[in-house]
Amino acid sequence: GAGVSQTPSNKVTEKGKYVELRCDPISGHTALYWYRQSLGQGPEFLIYFQGTGAADDSGLPNDRFFAVRPEGSVSTLKIQRTERGDSAVYLCASSLQGTYNSPLHFGNGTRLTVT
Amino acid sequence: TQLLEQSPQFLSIQEGENLTVYCNSSSVFSSLQWYRQEPGEGPVLLVTVVTGGEVKKLKRLTFQFGDARKDSSLHITAAQPGDTGLYLCAGAESGSQGNLIFGKGTKLSVKP
Repeated sequence: GAGVSQTPSNKVTEKGKYVELRCDPISGHTALYWYRQSLGQGPEFLIYFQGTGAADDSGLPNDRFFAVRPEGSVSTLKIQRTERGDSAVYLCASSLQGTYNSPLHFGNGTRLTVT
Repeated sequence: TQLLEQSPQFLSIQEGENLTVYCNSSSVFSSLQWYRQEPGEGPVLLVTVVTGGEVKKLKRLTFQFGDARKDSSLHITAAQPGDTGLYLCAGAESGSQGNLIFGKGTKLSVKP
């Protein structure tokens, strides 16, 4: 079946602009995660949804970052007033149950470049 | 926040050689997962280990979870150019709901 889909694959924006990144998880997966991966680093946790609600948003760096999952499927990560330091690959992952041993299925990410 | 230290950071070897990658922490994890990531793609799960002392084999790859569930290793036998990639370990904290802590990864290059 189809895997996790992320759009766009690349996004270039100017400092100060607003961006939205979209994630389509695997059908039937209740848990959805957003991670951010900077060059030479492992993925860094941002936020986790179980269904429609954000179960853990402790990884969001500041209030410029916000994510929604209104119908428990597609999720959008929103970044306001972008800064050059926000440049990274934003990865979305979904899992069937969201438990400690439930494997994550990652999309290919959105590469965000803030100029 | 628990940290996962991976070593070595970079590894360049010839085809046919064996190698071991290490993942260490001072904290206990409920489970530990190993992923492989290629450029431009998301990480792909290789294995999940849950029980202290557990050993899992996946063809030429052998994964071990430390007895105290604080560390893990990945051993590759007779490496092939197709094994080239970034190997990431990721741990689930006790009581977590699946949000993983990732190490920085080991970038492996296998030359023919």
